[in-house]
Amino acid sequence: EAGVAQSPRYKIIEKRQSVAFWCNPISGHATLYWYQQILGQGPKLLIQFQNNGVVDDSQLPKDRFSAERLKGVDSTLKIQPAKLEDSAVYLCASSLVSLSSYNEQFFGPGTRLTVL
Amino acid sequence: AQTVTQSQPEMSVQEAETVTLSCTYDTSESNYYLFWYKQPPSRQMILVIRQEAYKQQNATENRFSVNFQKAAKSFSLKISDSQLGDTAMYFCAFNDYKLSFGAGTTVTVRA
Repeated sequence: EAGVAQSPRYKIIEKRQSVAFWCNPISGHATLYWYQQILGQGPKLLIQFQNNGVVDDSQLPKDRFSAERLKGVDSTLKIQPAKLEDSAVYLCASSLVSLSSYNEQFFGPGTRLTVL
Repeated sequence: AQTVTQSQPEMSVQEAETVTLSCTYDTSESNYYLFWYKQPPSRQMILVIRQEAYKQQNATENRFSVNFQKAAKSFSLKISDSQLGDTAMYFCAFNDYKLSFGAGTTVTVRA
């Protein structure tokens, strides 16, 4: 079974530029998550989708971050404009269901973003 | 908001020895799941072991086992017979519909 795919693996940009990350979840997984993992910290949830609807985006900095999941499969996360503090690894994860506390999430390899 | 605390930033262990990682959490919920995830340098987050709060029996997965103390809100991970491939960052995570991670413990296995 193919895992969660993410691209690119690495991205370096200047501050105030824009950047986009792509995620393809495991086939059949209705729930998709984007996490931000700053160096030396645990992942922090940015946004959670159930199919193509947003379940939780309470920690998404909406003035600069946006995400979409058209057709309930692939997802893109965009940052515009980027700030130095956005340097982090962006992890995508997927799961079968979210309306359960038993919620094994499968993670992709992440995208390491460096903002100069 | 749920909080997960891992008080050991780094741990070092000799190959074949045992190491225990600590984790405490704070919640008012009665039904939840706890997880330990492993993140090697490749960054791929891998589930190591899970524990349901209703189950009193501690979970075990091969060389990995947990000590779950619900009243104390403690969830430690024991790695037995440590192997070089166990070198990674280990995250404790709490899930009551939303996954909250601790800050992680870096484990280094020495040859």
